[in-house]
Amino acid sequence: QKEVEQNSGPLSVPEGAIASLNCTYSDRVSQSFFWYRQYSGKSPELIMSIYSNGDKEDGRFTAQLNKASQYVSLLIRDSQPSDSATYLCAVGYNNNDMRFGAGTRLTVKP
Amino acid sequence: NAGVTQTPKFQVLKTGQSMTLQCAQDMNHNSMYWYRQDPGMGLRLIYYSASEGTTDKGEVPNGYNVSRLNKREFSLRLESAAPSQTSVYFCASSTVLAGTDTQYFGPGTRLTVL
Repeated sequence: QKEVEQNSGPLSVPEGAIASLNCTYSDRVSQSFFWYRQYSGKSPELIMSIYSNGDKEDGRFTAQLNKASQYVSLLIRDSQPSDSATYLCAVGYNNNDMRFGAGTRLTVKP
Repeated sequence: NAGVTQTPKFQVLKTGQSMTLQCAQDMNHNSMYWYRQDPGMGLRLIYYSASEGTTDKGEVPNGYNVSRLNKREFSLRLESAAPSQTSVYFCASSTVLAGTDTQYFGPGTRLTVL
């Protein structure tokens, strides 16, 4: 079974704080890991991808992967109201199959 | 450069009717995908096509068929629509950029089956 679990939220943080989003997956053969942002009524857009254990930073975003614990997270530093959206965790397999979590709704309050 | 386009944007069907959702990309990507998104369920992969001429089932293929018409176009067909197929349908295409498999999504088709 290829399952991806996320806390549905909503997660509410004040402006300027760090938002921490978590995701677990069930299949150990997972190859690649992604975080997408989706604004209400819009299509998903890729924020970060990570393939190996450890941290990957891109601006205010840091993705963390721990394959032993089957866990991937996204940290958003200096959160802004424009970061308010649903964040989707996705897990990819080497045959182009992709599984998404249900998403975590984040609200950043001014 | 329009990216990924989908038609129609909205559609209402009656149970048992058929229709085809169209998707096209102008980015010369090899891989294309069809997803559905239901409230609280996230995105679920219906079918994907790793390259022109090939298609494979995803997580929820029942009730759907696909055609990879050429490298640009990937259509999704509902032969006999059911209320359970009410959803938002997203098409995506992907390429590898700097070692990252990057999916680009279309704007979606909102389908209601009565």
